[in-house]
Amino acid sequence: EAEVAQSPRYKITEKSQAVAFWCDPISGHATLYWYRQILGQGPELLVQFQDESVVDDSQLPKDRFSAERLKGVDSTLKIQPAELGDSAMYLCASSLARTGRAGELFFGEGSRLTVL
Amino acid sequence: AQSVTQPDIHITVSEGASLELRCNYSYGATPYLFWYVQSPGQGLQLLLKYFSGDTLVQGIKGFEAEFKRSQSSFNLRKPSVHWSDAAEYFCAVGSFGNEKLTFGTGTRLTIIP
Repeated sequence: EAEVAQSPRYKITEKSQAVAFWCDPISGHATLYWYRQILGQGPELLVQFQDESVVDDSQLPKDRFSAERLKGVDSTLKIQPAELGDSAMYLCASSLARTGRAGELFFGEGSRLTVL
Repeated sequence: AQSVTQPDIHITVSEGASLELRCNYSYGATPYLFWYVQSPGQGLQLLLKYFSGDTLVQGIKGFEAEFKRSQSSFNLRKPSVHWSDAAEYFCAVGSFGNEKLTFGTGTRLTIIP
């Protein structure tokens, strides 16, 4: 069964350092999402891509976070510099649906970030 | 703006007993509603979804949910829980023209023998 791949699974870093997460969606899925899930809370959308274009990054802290999906396939989420409050699970999800209909999201296993 | 409320933070149920997890949503138009399950340290897996039609939706692992527009609710049910159902459950809402899902804060389910 096709899956959304994420790496690394776990990352420990010191504050002010840079960190990057990678996501490879299910083949053929046009829409890719990055969610952040703080412990004990539900996922919150950071950024949504439709192919290589950003559809929604209104909740992305752009002073320190960046995301790209250059070829419309895999994606990278970067944080620089990391802050203590960035400790969370970063979830990538993909969907076959294109603009106009909320479809089923397939989630990866997530990247757990701990900032010391 | 769309929002989801899951009023129960933590529920404990005996194995074999029935289960109902509550979900209330706020959205002006017809919502698309989802239930996801998350095991510790894992990603989210879709249990079931409602787009339109029959308001009682069947999902995987024996779960079902009922959409009640008058109550703005989409409660998740299972007639008999198994120890493997212990996990975190998230309700989410989306809509036509808005693929972004808004999640509730989750309900943690504990199963006792």
